[in-house]
Amino acid sequence: SQTIHQWPATLVQPVGSPLSLECTVEGTSNPNLYWYRQAAGRGLQLLFYSVGIGQISSEVPQNLSASRPQDRQFILSSKKLLLSDSGFYLCAWRLPGGANQPQHFGDGTRLSIL
Amino acid sequence: GDSVTQMEGPVTLSEEACLTINCTYTATGYPSLFWYVQYPGEGLQLLLKATKADDKGSNKGFEATYRKETTSFHLEKGSVQVSDSAVYFCALSFYTDKLIFGTGTRLQVFP
Repeated sequence: SQTIHQWPATLVQPVGSPLSLECTVEGTSNPNLYWYRQAAGRGLQLLFYSVGIGQISSEVPQNLSASRPQDRQFILSSKKLLLSDSGFYLCAWRLPGGANQPQHFGDGTRLSIL
Repeated sequence: GDSVTQMEGPVTLSEEACLTINCTYTATGYPSLFWYVQYPGEGLQLLLKATKADDKGSNKGFEATYRKETTSFHLEKGSVQVSDSAVYFCALSFYTDKLIFGTGTRLQVFP
């Protein structure tokens, strides 16, 4: 069966520091991968998604970036964090090939910027 | 463009009450529809799905029927428990690699 891992679970960073959040999927090949952000008490905002190695689509222009160095690895990065980057970050995967495939989410990373 | 509209929350119920969370969608064709649940501090879990008109998705006592005529996918449960307290998201997928989510509805169940 497939599993998705996100780490770290919680992170406290000062303003202006760099960021690297990692997500890996096991048990499947060539998944679609997604990064979302959820502000406190709010809905989901799609940040990036990828349909293959090195292929990144950005949904929201901001100081974050994403990379997919391996088939089942998705990384969210920033060079200098802002206060507004605080939130709950969720990684998700989906089997390719059809709108009827659901997305499956990791447990999330809670990021607090001080 | 495609969109999902959910009822505003919070929905507050006593244990064993009936639940309905409304979800309607706008799409140019016939999307696949999903309900996700998010428990406090956790990621989203797929609760149920329906991929064509008149399909009924069900799981853990929850049900939702894909109604093409009313473009709706309302979530229902006959008897809620305190453990059902969570945020529920309706979502659609239509020939893209992305899911379109509603804003979420918080359910609070009291003993």
